[in-house]
Amino acid sequence: QQQVKQSPQSLIVQKGGISIINCAYENTAFDYFPWYQQFPGKGPALLIAIRPDVSEKKEGRFTISFNKSAKQFSLHIMDSQPGDSATYFCAARDTDKLIFGTGTRLQVFP
Amino acid sequence: GAGVSQTPSNKVTEKGKYVELRCDPISGHTALYWYRQSLGQGPEFLIYFQGTGAADDSGLPNDRFFAVRPEGSVSTLKIQRTERGDSAVYLCASSLRQGTEDEQYFGPGTRLTVT
Repeated sequence: QQQVKQSPQSLIVQKGGISIINCAYENTAFDYFPWYQQFPGKGPALLIAIRPDVSEKKEGRFTISFNKSAKQFSLHIMDSQPGDSATYFCAARDTDKLIFGTGTRLQVFP
Repeated sequence: GAGVSQTPSNKVTEKGKYVELRCDPISGHTALYWYRQSLGQGPEFLIYFQGTGAADDSGLPNDRFFAVRPEGSVSTLKIQRTERGDSAVYLCASSLRQGTEDEQYFGPGTRLTVT
């Protein structure tokens, strides 16, 4: 199964709050899990990525939590800002190609 | 340095016509990828080049789609006999593919509309 399942489809968060986006996968051969941020009319931009031998990675306000046994990973955005309003995609690498989730539209209100 | 660039940014064509979409990867990146993104969806893999050769073309939907990268840098995605269902944003990405370094950097995309 090549799918990466992402939830929620949309998310509304107050400024300063925590945004949490979840993804799940089935293929244990996936070896790299990036998160991308996409603004309207732009291409996806790499935000943060993790490999399956690590359970957590933090870069600034962004943290990936990875649960290998459950085949789940999540993105946490701390102190969410209006400028974070965008669509977020999780992805998983299969040999050379990325398999993307369906995206989460995040809106952060002041 | 310059990122991945794609031209044109928008292309409107009539059903049945032939189109070419161009991608200029980041200088020095040996790997190049094409993806297609339909409205409200995540990007879907089409084809991957390592150097001049197509290492994986398993995502091309049918034989109307073809891509080349003759000198290992610029790539062109070619679509013959376009159909309305081909309307989407076509994204190009490139990466270094050295050791564990494999971040894919995306261009802004070409929005293709088939009328």
